[in-house]
Amino acid sequence: ELKVEQNPLFLSMQEGKNYTIYCNYSTTSDRLYWYRQDPGKSLESLFVLLSNGAVKQEGRLMASLDTKARLSTLHITAAVHDLSATYFCAVDNPRDDKIIFGKGTRLHILP
Amino acid sequence: SAVISQKPSRDICQRGTSLTIQCQVDSQVTMMFWYRQQPGQSLTLIATANQGSEATYESGFVIDKFPISRPNLTFSTLTVSNMSPEDSSIYLCSVEPAGNNEQFFGPGTRLTVL
Repeated sequence: ELKVEQNPLFLSMQEGKNYTIYCNYSTTSDRLYWYRQDPGKSLESLFVLLSNGAVKQEGRLMASLDTKARLSTLHITAAVHDLSATYFCAVDNPRDDKIIFGKGTRLHILP
Repeated sequence: SAVISQKPSRDICQRGTSLTIQCQVDSQVTMMFWYRQQPGQSLTLIATANQGSEATYESGFVIDKFPISRPNLTFSTLTVSNMSPEDSSIYLCSVEPAGNNEQFFGPGTRLTVL
């Protein structure tokens, strides 16, 4: 059974600092997603990572994937208050093509 | 990508009643999914809505409680039946357009059961 674990689950940090959110998963997969959710809103797709060593960047966010380690990271550079949200990673289960979500990381950036 | 709308956006319902949520997509898609997000929690897949056949339910979810319709490739409904306060959640539909490697989510329906 595919399990997806994120850590930390809660993160409060100062503007201007760097930090990394980790996503581990338990079985082989070739697709990993990062989503952002603002309070009371739906999910916004941030990144889709499809291969080992994939790295994608958008603004202050950078995501990477290591399929051998079954690990993805979402790195935040010089955080700003607007990045406060909950970030979910999700992994595609190759057995049935359904995606399994992590519990999410609630990020609060202090101005 | 895909543009997805859901109706209603929110509702407050009495215990024991049922609510039907609609999901409309701006293009034909094979795969449509229904998720539940309980307060402060992650997303849990309820079922996959299949066009022309019965929905496929995940463990812990049954058709009598969450009947689903999928009359065509752009539309689906999820009914939450005989509601109780434990059904208070956000319900989201999502789609995975052909040739796309990602799922897109609708805006969600926030349900409160009193």
